[in-house]
Amino acid sequence: EDQVTQSPEALRLQEGESSSLNCSYTVSGLRGLFWYRQDPGKGPEFLFTLYSAGEEKEKERLKATLTKKESFLHITAPKPEDSATYLCAVKETSGSRLTFGEGTQLTVNP
Amino acid sequence: GAGVSQSPSNKVTEKGKDVELRCDPISGHTALYWYRQSLGQGLEFLIYFQGNSAPDKSGLPSDRFSAERTGGSVSTLTIQRTQQEDSAVYLCASSLESIGNEQFFGPGTRLTVL
Repeated sequence: EDQVTQSPEALRLQEGESSSLNCSYTVSGLRGLFWYRQDPGKGPEFLFTLYSAGEEKEKERLKATLTKKESFLHITAPKPEDSATYLCAVKETSGSRLTFGEGTQLTVNP
Repeated sequence: GAGVSQSPSNKVTEKGKDVELRCDPISGHTALYWYRQSLGQGLEFLIYFQGNSAPDKSGLPSDRFSAERTGGSVSTLTIQRTQQEDSAVYLCASSLESIGNEQFFGPGTRLTVL
């Protein structure tokens, strides 16, 4: 059974204080690892897809990386508008559903 | 362009009543998914439709839950004889195809069962 564990559960940063969120996963065969951002009262917003170990993708202040066991979402010089819950999900090679972690709630204080 | 839309945005019902939740996927997306997000928990897969293939119903928690997709577009999730534990946000997502492509989510329907 696929498993996704995210840490920490919550993270509070000062504006400009860089950090990383972790997503550890167990899957029989990885088709893709997905990062989403979710604001309160809204649906998840797609950020990145990573397909193979060593792959990296960047978008503004965010960079996602992937190894065979985990993914990191690096946030460089965050701003208050980066405050949200960040969700990690995996899709296995034999399926179509996403298996989600419980998310990391990020708060960036001005 | 238009994203995934869901209605209603909020639904309050009494225990034992039936409810219907609607999802309009992104035009041209062949795959459609339903997930449930309970307070303090991650998203839980419920069901997925891909074109004219039989749906994958393996995530439905009980036989009180059912879903259909008419004409390969709009989908309706029906919960019969609702229970308090059904209270959650029900999210719909669509994608261009079922394998490999990212899923785009709607805003969700918040269901409260009194």
